[in-house]
Amino acid sequence: DAMVIQNPRYQVTQFGKPVTLSCSQTLNHNVMYWYQQKSSQAPKLLFHYYDKDFNNEADTPDNFQSRRPNTSFCFLDIRSPGLGDAAMYLCATSSFSGQDNDEQYFGPGTRLTVT
Amino acid sequence: AQSVSQHNHHVILSEAASLELGCNYSYGGTVNLFWYVQYPGQHLQLLLKYFSGDPLVKGIKGFEAEFIKSKFSFNLRKPSVQWSDTAEYFCAVQTGRRALTFGSGTRLQVQP
Repeated sequence: DAMVIQNPRYQVTQFGKPVTLSCSQTLNHNVMYWYQQKSSQAPKLLFHYYDKDFNNEADTPDNFQSRRPNTSFCFLDIRSPGLGDAAMYLCATSSFSGQDNDEQYFGPGTRLTVT
Repeated sequence: AQSVSQHNHHVILSEAASLELGCNYSYGGTVNLFWYVQYPGQHLQLLLKYFSGDPLVKGIKGFEAEFIKSKFSFNLRKPSVQWSDTAEYFCAVQTGRRALTFGSGTRLQVQP
């Protein structure tokens, strides 16, 4: 089945130790998104790629970076995780075609713990 | 920028009760509207969506929502809830190619 896959599902990292979360998709969608969802809060967009065009949200900390080497993969890099970065990180994709009717498909998320 | 308000943060119902969760958005242009559900420990799942056409949208598991453009609202309804509907519900708005803007969520607890 076509889907959005996130690895790992659970990640534990130490304070200040760089960590990378990965997302892959078999949907061949041109847009990929990264959201951060803290406990009991709504998902919050960090950034998204429209093809190779990177779009950062204004309030996303510089500590968060992203890479999209090809259509299928997108990575979230946290350069120096702090305790406040502990959250669920959600990857989503959509096939934006300009028709304004494109649904987003979410992966299962990676739960990040910072010790 | 658009914003989404969900006024009910925590709702407790008994099984078979009717459900209505409020969602209001602020954006003057054309929007796509969504309701997502997140069961405990699981990922976001799409309940229903509105892009255009009939403002009354039916989704999975007996849920429906009505888009009232004049009120900037997209309320979620279900005539009779079940214990298995216990979850967090998120309303979301999409404009153009932008990502979703989510409301703060409503935690629904259904008591058997």
